[in-house]
Amino acid sequence: SQQGEEDPQALSIQEGENATMNCSYKTSINNLQWYRQNSGRGLVHLILIRSNEREKHSGRLRVTLDTSKKSSSLLITASRAADTASYFCATDIIQGAQKLVFGQGTRLTINP
Amino acid sequence: DAGITQSPRHKVTETGTPVTLRCHQTENHRYMYWYRQDPGHGLRLIHYSYGVKDTDKGEVSDGYSVSRSKTEDFLLTLESATSSQTSVYFCAISEGTSTGELFFGEGSRLTVL
Repeated sequence: SQQGEEDPQALSIQEGENATMNCSYKTSINNLQWYRQNSGRGLVHLILIRSNEREKHSGRLRVTLDTSKKSSSLLITASRAADTASYFCATDIIQGAQKLVFGQGTRLTINP
Repeated sequence: DAGITQSPRHKVTETGTPVTLRCHQTENHRYMYWYRQDPGHGLRLIHYSYGVKDTDKGEVSDGYSVSRSKTEDFLLTLESATSSQTSVYFCAISEGTSTGELFFGEGSRLTVL
């Protein structure tokens, strides 16, 4: 079964609006990472947040982590058409062996 | 961009035939991974390697084998391809996910007829 589950599965917003995607997971983690995938391409790393961190920023990205609720959110501010992509959360399980478990992803569409 | 090359990028084959996908890296990263991506399932780990000749199974390893005889190459073999193995296969590399990220290749699209 999937460790991470993203919500919503699909999101469509207007350019300039903020986009929020959520990720829930089941077991304790070492860190949580977010990745982006443009259509037909490989995944690209966006940001990593460790289990002892609550919030992290990178440019227009803001990630939060609530380990008590086993959930994370990715906020993209002032969205652009180029942000159209699928976004995946991935968890590094503490007892795992340097491997990430991915969720099913959120398909984000930014309408001009 | 991380130096990861997957080959072939596209392949169509028939049920029952063997298929080998190759992942080549120029980054000298210790860890290498094979994932498959299917609609509704996201990415699922097939096998991974933590060093030359050191490999382990992922969550969907049945029907797949891997080999890593050199740091830079990680091969995924389907001994007898089935239609359920039609998918997009991604190779990824890492120096260790406890502290770092995965770098992905561009994917290999496999169709088994």
